Amino acid sequence: GGIITQTPKFLIGQEGQKLTLKCQQNFNHDTMYWYRQDSGKGLRLIYYSITENDLQKGDLSEGYDASREKKSSFSLTVTSAQKNEMAVFLCASSPSLGAETLYFGSGTRLTVL
Amino acid sequence: DAKTTQPDSMESTEGETVHLPCSHATISGNEYIYWYRQVPLQGPEYVTHGLQQNTTNSMAFLAIASDRKSSTLILPHVSLRDAAVYHCILRVKEGGSAKLIFGEGTKLTVSS
Repeated sequence: GGIITQTPKFLIGQEGQKLTLKCQQNFNHDTMYWYRQDSGKGLRLIYYSITENDLQKGDLSEGYDASREKKSSFSLTVTSAQKNEMAVFLCASSPSLGAETLYFGSGTRLTVL
Repeated sequence: DAKTTQPDSMESTEGETVHLPCSHATISGNEYIYWYRQVPLQGPEYVTHGLQQNTTNSMAFLAIASDRKSSTLILPHVSLRDAAVYHCILRVKEGGSAKLIFGEGTKLTVSS
């Protein structure tokens, strides 16, 4: 089996700050995803990548950048943190874009003061 | 985008069989129905999926209505470990890409 590791687990930022979240997977999966989860709500897709150096925008890409420099890693940058923002960012991977199952990390919990 | 509707919460007792409903009235013919579950401080975990036929695995039984406008995830003999938020999701294909659209889910509480 494999694992998805997200760092950091908890992130506290200041308004306007640029923040980077990292995700590593050892499944050797081609496709990786970033989702945002707000309290009491479902997951919303921010970015996904079907292979190394590929980037595709999801429904919530505004305010974010992403980077897939290696097959095993996918980074997400909050370009300017919004005051009082609180959310969980979840990274996931799948063998291919059309694969049936996504495997998720435990998430990065963001709080903006 | 196709959307699912689930009850906000359901309660059960250990040993019971739980039926978690999901409505997807606008589902398209090529959309699969997926179920994931999520416990606090963890990411979602895959449970099962189906297209038209009922499916079963070690975790659950998925019953899909003949018109595909609804489905029910059946959890036999639930334990405390089954307490989680259960997400009913449709797999959407757009222009050759594929992504899962998550709804709000049903919070299942299991008491002893």
